[in-house]
Amino acid sequence: GGIITQTPKFLIGQEGQKLTLKCQQNFNHDTMYWYRQDSGKGLRLIYYSITENDLQKGDLSEGYDASREKKSSFSLTVTSAQKNEMAVFLCASSINTGQLYFGEGSKLTVL
Amino acid sequence: AQSVTQPDARVTVSEGASLQLRCKYSYSGTPYLFWYVQYPRQGLQLLLKYYSGDPVVQGVNGFEAEFSKSNSSFHLRKASVHWSDSAVYFCVLSAPLTGNTGKLIFGLGTTLQVQP
Repeated sequence: GGIITQTPKFLIGQEGQKLTLKCQQNFNHDTMYWYRQDSGKGLRLIYYSITENDLQKGDLSEGYDASREKKSSFSLTVTSAQKNEMAVFLCASSINTGQLYFGEGSKLTVL
Repeated sequence: AQSVTQPDARVTVSEGASLQLRCKYSYSGTPYLFWYVQYPRQGLQLLLKYYSGDPVVQGVNGFEAEFSKSNSSFHLRKASVHWSDSAVYFCVLSAPLTGNTGKLIFGLGTTLQVQP
């Protein structure tokens, strides 16, 4: 089996700050995803990547950057944190359509 | 337009009772459908999936779901729930884009509370 590791689990930042979340997977999956989870709104796709150095925008990419420098890692940057950014960010990976493996999430709080 | 609707935001049942969580989808082609579960302070885990064939699919922990093309539904069922089943359940549709990467469409989730 494999695992998705997200760091940090909790991230506290100041409004306007640039903040980065990291995700590592040892499944050797090609595709990785970043989702944002807000209470009552389900999951929304921010970015995904189908291979190393590939980046694809999701429905919620504005205000975020992503980076996939290695197959095993996928990072997400909040370019300028806003108070309404408080949410849980979930990283996932997959080898084929639909069956995703998720990390435990990173909770962002903006002061 | 592609969408997934989970009409019940919250469901409360007693331990040992049967359970059905509803899911309706809108998709013009042949959907791939999934149920994921999210336990408190954890990521999502796959419960079961439907790609084709037998419309009733079995999952982990005694869960099953039935695909109905005529009703555009994929309801989740369990014969007898346990308190540990309390969690948020997501119905998910996969809409293939290019290659092997499918864009997933999530329902808003149903929070299941099992009372002792």
